[in-house]
Amino acid sequence: DAGVTQSPTHLIKTRGQQVTLRCSPKSGHDTVSWYQQALGQGPQFIFQYYEEEERQRGNFPDRFSGHQFPNYSSELNVNALLLGDSALYLCASRGAGSTTEAFFGQGTRLTVV
Amino acid sequence: AQRVTQPEKLLSVFKGAPVELKCNYSYSGSPELFWYVQYSRQRLQLLLRHISRESIKGFTADLNKGETSFHLKKPFAQEEDSAMYYCALSGNNYGQNFVFGPGTRLSVLP
Repeated sequence: DAGVTQSPTHLIKTRGQQVTLRCSPKSGHDTVSWYQQALGQGPQFIFQYYEEEERQRGNFPDRFSGHQFPNYSSELNVNALLLGDSALYLCASRGAGSTTEAFFGQGTRLTVV
Repeated sequence: AQRVTQPEKLLSVFKGAPVELKCNYSYSGSPELFWYVQYSRQRLQLLLRHISRESIKGFTADLNKGETSFHLKKPFAQEEDSAMYYCALSGNNYGQNFVFGPGTRLSVLP
């Protein structure tokens, strides 16, 4: 089991562009959450997907949107990129139940220039 | 408001010395508290959670609801403990997602 996998590992975008980040959850996991980690800070919760619907959302603008597919993989989309969107984007997956452990991916490093 | 604070950005100790990484939280309810660790070039991984009340790699953490703290302790630090440590909380009204602190970088010197 490769665990949680994210792609791409790095990318550079220009201000105003749109970006899509991808996440495949750990085998057997059906819930995916996305986090933004700015340099020198802890991860900040963006949103969570379960059964192909957004279930919880953190304090992020509508420019941040997502999707979950029937195979539980997920995408994070960011429109109208700002310089401040430069960060490490982490995906975490977990199985059903409130006590299951969340597993994190290696992250995608997004740089907006 | 839900918040996790870790007052030390960097903590340096010598090998064999005791370690205490501080974590305080604010949450109106009964949160679940966690410590996550990130070793160099590795992904974020769970170190321990307060409900399991177990010791992992010699680390322990006790939830003090009166002081709203969840400090991480180890009696004798090892060089391989050098890493970034994040305290996090998850509340019932937060969909089992995490509020993370800013992290403390632990450096264990030989």
